[in-house]
Amino acid sequence: QKEVEQDPGPLSVPEGAIVSLNCTYSNSAFQYFMWYRQYSRKGPELLMYTYSSGNKEDGRFTAQVDKSSKYISLFIRDSQPSDSATYLCAMTVTGKLIFGQGTTLQVKP
Amino acid sequence: GAVVSQHPSRVICKSGTSVKIECRSLDFQATTMFWYRQFPKKSLMLMATSNEGSKATYEQGVEKDKFLINHASLTLSTLTVTSAHPEDSSFYICSAIRTSGRSRGEQYFGPGTRLTVT
Repeated sequence: QKEVEQDPGPLSVPEGAIVSLNCTYSNSAFQYFMWYRQYSRKGPELLMYTYSSGNKEDGRFTAQVDKSSKYISLFIRDSQPSDSATYLCAMTVTGKLIFGQGTTLQVKP
Repeated sequence: GAVVSQHPSRVICKSGTSVKIECRSLDFQATTMFWYRQFPKKSLMLMATSNEGSKATYEQGVEKDKFLINHASLTLSTLTVTSAHPEDSSFYICSAIRTSGRSRGEQYFGPGTRLTVT
């Protein structure tokens, strides 16, 4: 079993839709949870960073962590074509990031 | 925001040659940098942890003699792919952990280097 599981998609939604991206993990020691956005042929860009269970909101993005279920989510409201990218979840205990496979999102105008 | 650069962004080399990739933190110091490898439509796989002033720590299955890492200063780490083979063709990405300031502990990624070995 992989330490971090993420559905690779692809996920295609119309502009304005609410997008839900999810990851599950097996290592209960993970303390920090991140979501990165990666455009084609570019390095990942940090979107959200959370530590505890609960929700964290930043503009159109909401990160949710449920440590009891070992499940994290990223919600994108009012999705835009510019949100089209690959979204990677990542988590860490010691600073070494363990990534999910990434979910490819396409937002159609 | 913090910036991490990589050079070159793209390199094509012949099989058997060596290639050096640089990773620089442009506006902050980083005692720790990481090197990742990413295959098409795959996640980032950590190759090694680069520590300034000491030997790098390699992940299981990564050949330390093939992927030489040197972290010579607080802003520069280099990855040298020695005796490159076509199977080394990949997207190599570095990251650096900010060691001071309000964003201390956050990890910033470089734009990646596309290596093609012919």
